[in-house]
Amino acid sequence: QKEVEQDPGPLSVPEGAIVSLNCTYSNSAFQYFMWYRQYSRKGPELLMYTYSSGNKEDGRFTAQVDKSSKYISLFIRDSQPSDSATYLCAMRVAGSHTGRRALTFGSGTRLQVQP
Amino acid sequence: ETGVTQSPTHLIKTRGQQVTLRCSSQSGHNTVSWYQQALGQGPQFIFQYYREEENGRGNFPPRFSGLQFPNYSSELNVNALELDDSALYLCASSPGLAGPSTDTQYFGPGTRLTVL
Repeated sequence: QKEVEQDPGPLSVPEGAIVSLNCTYSNSAFQYFMWYRQYSRKGPELLMYTYSSGNKEDGRFTAQVDKSSKYISLFIRDSQPSDSATYLCAMRVAGSHTGRRALTFGSGTRLQVQP
Repeated sequence: ETGVTQSPTHLIKTRGQQVTLRCSSQSGHNTVSWYQQALGQGPQFIFQYYREEENGRGNFPPRFSGLQFPNYSSELNVNALELDDSALYLCASSPGLAGPSTDTQYFGPGTRLTVL
């Protein structure tokens, strides 16, 4: 079983829809959670970073963390064709030693927003 | 502020050869991590360098090795290339600050390696 599970999609939605992307994890030591967006043949771009349970909002994006259920979500409001990309969840353990800060990624969800 | 850069963009090698990939970290960042991303998969952690020393390693064999230089740029070396080494190799830099809550990784565009 993978430490981080993510539905690969593809997920196809019409422009303007609310998108919900999700990851579950099994390692309770994960304390920091990120969402990255990756366009085709590009490097991942950091979208959201959070380390507490609850919601964090940034523009059209909301990251939600439920540590008790080991479940994180990313919501995209008013989705645009330019949001079409692969969305990767990533997480890492806490720790002052930088070597413990390696990221564990989900496999990514491919999102297509139709105009 | 300059972001993370990687070279070359693409590379084609044959099985058994050796390859060196390069990464320049973002200004002000002293920590560099390398990841391998196979097609359709999330990135997998290879290793991390902090102040010129390997500071953490994932589940990759010793033929994957690296260096970090005094200016915090880094190299990834892969010996005895295998077909399964074909992937996008990503470099990420981070501030390496003592406070883990602010130590976020920023990725470069990657080097696409094809092994024939």
